[in-house]
Amino acid sequence: RKEVEQDPGPFNVPEGATVAFNCTYSNSASQSFFWYRQDCRKEPKLLMSVYSSGNEDGRFTAQLNRASQYISLLIRDSKLSDSATYLCVVRNTGGFKTIFGAGTRLFVKA
Amino acid sequence: DTGVSQDPRHKITKRGQNVTFRCDPISEHNRLYWYRQTLGQGPEFLTYFQNEAQLEKSRLLSDRFSAERPKGSFSTLEIQRTEQGDSAMYLCASSLVAGENEKLFFGSGTQLSVL
Repeated sequence: RKEVEQDPGPFNVPEGATVAFNCTYSNSASQSFFWYRQDCRKEPKLLMSVYSSGNEDGRFTAQLNRASQYISLLIRDSKLSDSATYLCVVRNTGGFKTIFGAGTRLFVKA
Repeated sequence: DTGVSQDPRHKITKRGQNVTFRCDPISEHNRLYWYRQTLGQGPEFLTYFQNEAQLEKSRLLSDRFSAERPKGSFSTLEIQRTEQGDSAMYLCASSLVAGENEKLFFGSGTQLSVL
């Protein structure tokens, strides 16, 4: 079983739609959580950290459920420019290894 | 540009040849990571440096792979006797903030094609 699992998609949504991605992780000792965004043929870039209480950054909301070991990302009012691959990222306690999921592809169409 | 830079951007080599990639992290960052990414997959951790010390290596990193960061600044990743399965994007990332909120900043990567 992979340490971080995501639905690969693709998710095809119209502009203005709300879309949500989930990610599950297997190591209950995982400490830190992030969402990264990766555009086609580009490097990953940090989108947002995920805090236990949930956090919001503009149209993006991230939530963490430690009991069920999953992380979610909600995008409201989708824009064409949101089209990308969204990578779920987990960092484990006691190590320095940051583990990436395989990513969920999002296509926002006009 | 003061971001993470990697060189070369692309490398085409024949099977059995050795290749070396370079990464220059953001100047004040003390942590440096190497990842490998293939199409449709997320980046896979290869190795990690804190200053010049290599603190962790993935089981993915066979004996043909070696990484150095001699002065705690730039790093090199060498692959000896390349195989077709080594074809991938090799990404370097650096960070400064330790602890829970460590954020990685990636370079544009080196795309390796082994023929």
